[in-house]
Amino acid sequence: GAVVSQHPSWVICKSGTSVKIECRSLDFQATTMFWYRQFPKQSLMLMATSNEGSKATYEQGVEKDKFLINHASLTLSTLTVTSAHPEDSSFYICSVSDRVGYTFGSGTRLTVV
Amino acid sequence: LAKTTQPISMDSYEGQEVNITCSHNNIATNDYITWYQQFPSQGPRFIIQGYKTKVTNEVASLFIPADRKSSTLSLPRVSLSDTAVYYCLVADGAAGNKLTFGGGTRVLVKP
Repeated sequence: GAVVSQHPSWVICKSGTSVKIECRSLDFQATTMFWYRQFPKQSLMLMATSNEGSKATYEQGVEKDKFLINHASLTLSTLTVTSAHPEDSSFYICSVSDRVGYTFGSGTRLTVV
Repeated sequence: LAKTTQPISMDSYEGQEVNITCSHNNIATNDYITWYQQFPSQGPRFIIQGYKTKVTNEVASLFIPADRKSSTLSLPRVSLSDTAVYYCLVADGAAGNKLTFGGGTRVLVKP
């Protein structure tokens, strides 16, 4: 599968600030990427589908104005958590839909204090 | 999307074989069955994928009966490092189709 790089691996931010997470497909031109959120001891929950050159498709209950997704190139999708609050603290994981299935990034641990 | 059901947790001992069964009664004709492994604070990692019968690779085997309504992941001779959460997913694999996770099975390998 594709080689997926996610950055940063962890971040701590103050409540009210914004945080950007990057997901790069290093060897595959990804027209579609996915963003997941995972709380402790829980499964991955799909947040949105990121489409290159067009608007992201958000899952029900996910605020699109709070979780901004940009997929401006075939190798990069970004997730920006705006006006972060402690309840946004979670593990965020991106995924690339590639030629053999799905490859996941290593995840970003976000802690909002 | 086909819904999957797995046991919440399983305990095993080093050197034993671990078998995790996943049920997917509503699997569609074009769906493949894929298993992922996830360690704490890491993204899921692909283990094995199959459509029917048996698939084997260097780390696991996947058994799928003829009706494809269930599948069993078999991990031979587990070690402590196999302690992880294992997810069974069913999807048609078409580029761009979203992947929805079920609860997964937490496997604990004891010494």
